[in-house]
Amino acid sequence: GAVVSQHPSRVICKSGTSVKIECRSLDFQATTMFWYRQFPKQSLMLMATSNEGSKATYEQGVEKDKFLINHASLTLSTLTVTSAHPEDSSFYICSARGAASNSPLHFGNGTRLTVT
Amino acid sequence: AQKITQTQPGMFVQEKEAVTLDCTYDTSDQSYGLFWYKQPSSGEMIFLIYQGSYDEQNATEGRYSLNFQKARKSANLVISASQLGDSAMYFCAMTHSLQGAQKLVFGQGTRLTINP
Repeated sequence: GAVVSQHPSRVICKSGTSVKIECRSLDFQATTMFWYRQFPKQSLMLMATSNEGSKATYEQGVEKDKFLINHASLTLSTLTVTSAHPEDSSFYICSARGAASNSPLHFGNGTRLTVT
Repeated sequence: AQKITQTQPGMFVQEKEAVTLDCTYDTSDQSYGLFWYKQPSSGEMIFLIYQGSYDEQNATEGRYSLNFQKARKSANLVISASQLGDSAMYFCAMTHSLQGAQKLVFGQGTRLTINP
């Protein structure tokens, strides 16, 4: 079964509103989670690294004030797209890794955001 | 900086045939991990197989095997006895270390279509 749960799976919002996406590790603690963005027919691009108890680390070119990340606990990270615009419409997907050294990264099922 | 290259945008294979998906990488790190993920049309990322840079044996997981050629910096995925359900996008990815929470760098992906 899924070890990383992402919610919601789909969301449609109006331009100018904010949307929160949750990523939960279900049966392990994740001090670090990752947020990716995927445009249609393209690869996944890392947006930021979410660190429990500290500020997220953003990749170059990603607006930290627009994509707010909060890693509230060892099992939950949230991504909030603030003042969404149509160009923010995309597939957002999170990942997390267990503590074991050979644990693979597990991905959530993704969130398809459409901004109208 | 790390880079992953997948040179096959699309592959078409007859059911039950074997298929090799190419992946080359570039890194100056001595320790790294290589992954293959499958992404069906639903969007979820499904972990298939992992190869550590110090692993001497090629990784195998059921019908999946990874042809790891370190000197050539290639990590091709081989799917034996392909099935209709194997039709999906396939991404090669790498991390810059073997342990700890890691961020993935993805290739462009290969769309595999299995024909009946």
